[in-house]
Amino acid sequence: QVQLVESGGGVVQPGRSLRLSCAASGFTFSRYGMHWVRQPPGKGLEWVAVIWFDGSNIFYADSVKGRFTISRDNSKNTLYLQMNSLRAEDTAMYYCAAGLAAPHDYWGQGTLVTVSS
Amino acid sequence: EVVLTQSPGTLSLSPGERATLSCRASQSVSSSYLAWYQQRPGQAPRLLIYGASSRATGIPDRFSGSGSGTDFTLTISRLEPEDFAVYYCQQYGSSWTFGQGTKVEIK
Repeated sequence: QVQLVESGGGVVQPGRSLRLSCAASGFTFSRYGMHWVRQPPGKGLEWVAVIWFDGSNIFYADSVKGRFTISRDNSKNTLYLQMNSLRAEDTAMYYCAAGLAAPHDYWGQGTLVTVSS
Repeated sequence: EVVLTQSPGTLSLSPGERATLSCRASQSVSSSYLAWYQQRPGQAPRLLIYGASSRATGIPDRFSGSGSGTDFTLTISRLEPEDFAVYYCQQYGSSWTFGQGTKVEIK
């Protein structure tokens, strides 16, 4: 069955960096666009970034542009999110999601990032 | 940026009743690139509808989506206990944006 498993979350001080990973299985990873979506505690969903199935196109939300970098390794079926210059407002559950028919056909269970001094 | 406004914020209904959720876009959503997701407490979101009206795999037929342009609707024909959750619309015709969500709660 389809599985997306995020890892790498934790507590980090403002201005520091963190790298999230998302391990995929149960589907042909290299055919799917991959997204990161985040959800601050008690709030709604915010789209963060997308990378095309072959890595040829990448887009970011304005709120993270210049600070976050999305990448993928199709040989390892893994998606990444490098987060630099973290701010308190980046505190959220971070979900990876795979899209083919829709942006987010499949979702992981999320990894929590807390930015606090 | 396309802004999506969902209404109402909260819908209080009883099991068996019909639920009608609205999603209005600040500009026309190209090619009906509009999706709906369900999020139960403590869980990740789940895709229900894409392309405004196509049900995702495994989604019961009591869920239906309609609309085009700037006005879209998610209808749940008869609420089951597991349908009480938060629902989000998302447009993906011009970048990707979510609405703020509608909570369907038990009356």
